[in-house]
Amino acid sequence: DGGITQSPKYLFRKEGQNVTLSCEQNLNHDAMYWYRQDPGQGLRLIYYSQIVNDFQKGDIAEGYSVSREKKESFPLTVTSAQKNPTAFYLCASSMVAGSSYEQYFGPGTRLTVT
Amino acid sequence: GQQLNQSPQSMFIQEGEDVSMNCTSSSIFNTWLWYKQDPGEGPVLLIALYKAGELTSNGRLTAQFGITRKDSFLNISASIPSDVGIYFCAGRTQTSGSRLTFGEGTQLTVNP
Repeated sequence: DGGITQSPKYLFRKEGQNVTLSCEQNLNHDAMYWYRQDPGQGLRLIYYSQIVNDFQKGDIAEGYSVSREKKESFPLTVTSAQKNPTAFYLCASSMVAGSSYEQYFGPGTRLTVT
Repeated sequence: GQQLNQSPQSMFIQEGEDVSMNCTSSSIFNTWLWYKQDPGEGPVLLIALYKAGELTSNGRLTAQFGITRKDSFLNISASIPSDVGIYFCAGRTQTSGSRLTFGEGTQLTVNP
């Protein structure tokens, strides 16, 4: 089945620790995105990548880092510098050519930092 | 950056009623997308719109790309309990590349 996988579904960490969230897609999409969602709020873009080995900051990149070494994978690291890391993290992917910019989302990872 | 105003923020309706929600933008958009998110899950794409004036249906859902290109509407007819969730609009401009701007969402509750 084609789709986007995020693992794990739930993640617990102690304050001060870095943590890496996984995102893999087999849709052959060029672009991948990371969003953060807080309770009762919309989606805020953290980082995105339109091609392998290149990525851009979104609206709330501080305290996060990413890499795009493979087309299929776009891991997000939540560093200890992120002041409020507890949130629901969503990964998405899309094509960038032609007229289709539809983003498809993974199931999300809920990160709790105590 | 672009701003998207989505309304209403929440709706409480009876099963069988029709629902309307909308998004307005301060910029001209050339793509409008509508998503639904169930609790604890990722958003699922419902409808994509690419032309001003376009009207597209997906079952009981109908969405329209506003003529001014600064707004979009989503209607749900004959609501059922499984329509419960958060509905998001999203759009992109000519210059935003593949980035989307998302609305704040409309929380829909359907009473059986």
